[in-house]
Amino acid sequence: DGGITQSPKYLFRKEGQNVTLSCEQNLNHDAMYWYRQDPGQGLRLIYYSQIVNDFQKGDIAEGYSVSREKKESFPLTVTSAQKNPTAFYLCASSIAREAVYTEAFFGQGTRLTVV
Amino acid sequence: GDSVTQMEGPVTLSEEAFLTINCTYTATGYPSLFWYVQYPGEGLQLLLKATKADDKGSNKGFEATYRKETTSFHLEKGSVQVSDSAVYFCALSDSGSARQLTFGSGTQLTVLP
Repeated sequence: DGGITQSPKYLFRKEGQNVTLSCEQNLNHDAMYWYRQDPGQGLRLIYYSQIVNDFQKGDIAEGYSVSREKKESFPLTVTSAQKNPTAFYLCASSIAREAVYTEAFFGQGTRLTVV
Repeated sequence: GDSVTQMEGPVTLSEEAFLTINCTYTATGYPSLFWYVQYPGEGLQLLLKATKADDKGSNKGFEATYRKETTSFHLEKGSVQVSDSAVYFCALSDSGSARQLTFGSGTQLTVLP
């Protein structure tokens, strides 16, 4: 089945560690996105990529990094510079066409907790 | 910049009650509008969408009409079920913002039997 797979579902990080969240899609979508969700809040955009080897900062990129070496993969690294990383992280993808606005498809999310 | 304002929650209804969740937006271009639903511990699923003014999106008994004159996209359902309990997000995708989604803060809906 086509879709987006995020792993792991739960992740625990010690203070000062970098961790990487995986996101893979087999929908052949050009665009991929990372969002952060905090309790009782909407989704905030961390990074997005519309094409391989290119990505842009979103609203809250500080303390995060990404790469887009393959069309189907868009991993997110939460670095030690991110002071409050405990949150629910959602990856999404969509078709990126000039005149067609299509919906985004979401993964099941990764819940990151700092211990 | 773009923004989405959603009705504050949480909302608690009895089964078979009528549901309205208000959503208004500001956008620089000509946005498409969406409602997403999130069940506990899961990612978001698209519920319905509308891509131009006066379009009505509908799915699973939910409806929303794109009102350009009032910049609104209110979600309605005539008779809610316990299984509709979830968080609902209004969102827009704007031609002027690389087509990334801008989300509202979400509305928690609880339906009691």
